[in-house]
Amino acid sequence: DQQVKQNSPSLSVQEGRISILNCDYTNSMFDYFLWYKKYPAEGPTFLISISSIKDKNEDGRFTVFLNKSAKHLSLHIVPSQPGDSAVYFCAARNSNSGYALNFGKGTSLLVTP
Amino acid sequence: NAGVMQNPRHLVRRRGQEARLRCSPMKGHSHVYWYRQLPEEGLKFMVYLQKENIIDESGMPKERFSAEFPKEGPSILRIQQVVRGDSAAYFCASSRQGMAGELFFGEGSRLTVL
Repeated sequence: DQQVKQNSPSLSVQEGRISILNCDYTNSMFDYFLWYKKYPAEGPTFLISISSIKDKNEDGRFTVFLNKSAKHLSLHIVPSQPGDSAVYFCAARNSNSGYALNFGKGTSLLVTP
Repeated sequence: NAGVMQNPRHLVRRRGQEARLRCSPMKGHSHVYWYRQLPEEGLKFMVYLQKENIIDESGMPKERFSAEFPKEGPSILRIQQVVRGDSAAYFCASSRQGMAGELFFGEGSRLTVL
């Protein structure tokens, strides 16, 4: 069962505009959320995270928003750059239950010049 | 990210053969995780190990798969009697601390079963 869902397989954005990647989850026990970025033939790279006690975390051009009542989080990239083109994975964990990160299937972002 | 070393990067096996994938964690990291990514899927947790101990193997298939992280040397994911459905990318990650927060991933080992 897919507990973390990224319903948009792909997204195309113009350079300089905002990219918004969405993620929904079903397990209300998840208390920590992460975004990973992955280039082809490479391993995922950690991007940004947020604890369930917060609703926003910002790091440079990247901001993650968490809406616990909707079980929804989003990653905003402003401004988008061509080098941001990659697959973005949303991940979540329940700190009280095991060590697994639960990943979504990913959204492929293409930033066009 | 480049600190987690996985080999081989690509491995081709025929059905029924054994596959061994190796992972050396980043320097200073003693926690290793294995994830599998099937085509068009996200990463699925398989197992979490510390030196000489399996801590959480809730994601490991019950048969044919095993993992170890010996006192000396890399962590090894072993798949016996491979089947076509085992074809996937296998990613190893490491962390300094135990909780799966900011994992550092290797570049993956791509297993193809003919």
